[in-house]
Amino acid sequence: KNQVEQSPQSLIILEGKNCTLQCNYTVSPFSNLRWYKQDTGRGPVSLTIMTFSENTKSNGRYTATLDADTKQSSLHITASQLSDSASYICVVSPPLYSSASKIIFGSGTRLSIRP
Amino acid sequence: GAVVSQHPSWVICKSGTSVKIECRSLDFQATTMFWYRQFPKQSLMLMATSNEGSKATYEQGVEKDKFLINHASLTLSTLTVTSAHPEDSSFYICSARAGRLSTGRGTDTQYFGPGTRLTVL
Repeated sequence: KNQVEQSPQSLIILEGKNCTLQCNYTVSPFSNLRWYKQDTGRGPVSLTIMTFSENTKSNGRYTATLDADTKQSSLHITASQLSDSASYICVVSPPLYSSASKIIFGSGTRLSIRP
Repeated sequence: GAVVSQHPSWVICKSGTSVKIECRSLDFQATTMFWYRQFPKQSLMLMATSNEGSKATYEQGVEKDKFLINHASLTLSTLTVTSAHPEDSSFYICSARAGRLSTGRGTDTQYFGPGTRLTVL
């Protein structure tokens, strides 16, 4: 069964600190892996997207890594800001040719930044 | 970038009434739109997939007669919650995908709307 698991479920850190969120998946094969940021009461916003062959992708203070061999991805946030408080969701997409074309969502990590 | 809008952003209604939520792709043609429901502190749950001009495909456990989906144009899909009850209160999010996978063209990128908060009293 295709699954995407994220850890930790929630995380609280002080403003200015770094943190790393984890995503393990069993989707195989897959087309791409995305990290989304979802503010409370808003829709998800894409942070990074990586294909099977990519190992890392950065977007400002956000850096995502991907290890296709171990089926793990991480999202590293540098110098956290209060506005980083949100849920971060890992999403894996099967290939376009796959009959199971639905994307698979992780349950998300709720990140809280404290001043 | 691709923009998806939803209207209304929030709605409060009485139990037993029907509520319509609109999802629009503003700068691209969306042959496929998805409707999700999200309860507090939970991940998005796919309710149904709709392709323009055809009937929606509902996920297991989602009542098609209660959640009516219409995708009449390439830029608009609507979700109507009929005879709403308090347990239908949730955050409803749509997403839109450009292109048509059946022809081998297009992309699996989904662009999400900002969501609609439904509260049924």
